[in-house]
Formats: sequence, C-alpha cells, structure tokens
Amino acid sequence: EPEVTQTPSHQVTQMGQEVILRCVPISNHLYFYWYRQILGQKVEFLVSFYNNEISEKSEIFDDQFSVERPDGSNFTLKIRSTKLEDSAMYFCASIPEAGASSYEQYFGPGTRLTVT
Amino acid sequence: GESVGLHLPTLSVQEGDNSIINCAYSNSASDYFIWYKQESGKGPQFIIDIRSNMDKRQGQRVTVLLNKTVKHLSLQIAATQPGDSAVYFCAERHNQGGKLIFGQGTELSVKP
Repeated sequence: EPEVTQTPSHQVTQMGQEVILRCVPISNHLYFYWYRQILGQKVEFLVSFYNNEISEKSEIFDDQFSVERPDGSNFTLKIRSTKLEDSAMYFCASIPEAGASSYEQYFGPGTRLTVT
Repeated sequence: GESVGLHLPTLSVQEGDNSIINCAYSNSASDYFIWYKQESGKGPQFIIDIRSNMDKRQGQRVTVLLNKTVKHLSLQIAATQPGDSAVYFCAERHNQGGKLIFGQGTELSVKP
C-alpha cells in the first residue's frame, strides 16, 4: 500500500538554525499539508499546498516558515530560524484529486524536531 | 471561533467491551469528519470517515455516528482489543481540499 514518507525521523538543532523537513507524498496525490503536534497536544494545521502554491496557512505559519515542492516528488517544510517553541512532531499529509471518493488525508510517520 | 473538542480525555475499558469516544464540533459548515488513531511515536492513522449528509457509517468493528443537530460525533469500537489502545482524534473539514481541524484527543486504554 502506498504511503507518505518523511525524513529525518528525528532532527535536533540549535535555536536560530535553519531546518528542512522532507516529505514524499503518495505519487498520484495533488493536495499536500503540513501539521505539527506539540508533545501531548492536538494536531495543528500549518499549511496546505496545491498546484505549486500555498492554498491556506495558519497563524503559526509565519515568515519563518516556507514550503516547496522542488522536483515533483518531494514536499519540504523549511524553518529559517528555529525557536525553542518550534519543538514538535511535524506531520506531512496528502490527498488525491479533489473528486476522489474519499478525502482521507494520508499522514506520514512524522519528524520529531527538537530545538535546543 | 471554530473548534473541535472531546468530552473525555481518557477512557479505560476491559478487553471485549465496547468503547464509545465522543467529540463535539462547533462549525456547522463542516462537511466531512474523520476519526484518526494515533499510537505512540506514530502519525495519525485513518479509522473511518463520514460526510455531513450521513448520520451513520460502519466499518470493521467501528461505527461513526454524526448528530448535526447537536454537532456531535462519536466513534464506537466493538469488542475492544488491547491493540486498540491509542489516542483517538476526531477532525473536521470545511471545504474540499481544505485543512483538517483536530480535537484534543482521547486516550483509550484497554485492560486485558
């Protein structure tokens, strides 16, 4: 069964450093998302991406965040200058075309980001 | 503002019993709802979904009920097994291709 993959599984970085989290969505999917989950809390939406542009973003997704789909397979989340409060699990998700019978978002296993 | 919340943060059941996990949502414009299961250290795993034009949907050992009158969603797990132990999240979606808004999560613990 096809699945969303994410790398790395765990990233440790110092405050102020840039990090790039990588995701490979399911190959025929067209909508892509990033979510984050601070330890013990609910999953929070960050950004959605469709047709090579951001379609929606949350208040969390400020100027320090950016997303890119550089080569048609990878979908990346960049944090330019990490803060302690960016420490969380980051999940990538994707769904197929808009007319699909199900709008289930398929989630990757997540990247644990630890900012020290 | 919009919100999706769960009534109980933890639920403990005996193996073989039925489990019911509840969720309240506030946005009447939501057209799609999903239940996810999350095991420790893993991403959310799809369990079952339901569209707003339905009030009940059944899967294997799971049933989702939607009451739009009171904006309430529930997940019923029949014959709960130890492998069902996890945190369960409800989520709602407002538009096609749109973001999911997750509830706080309920931790289900199954005692053998």
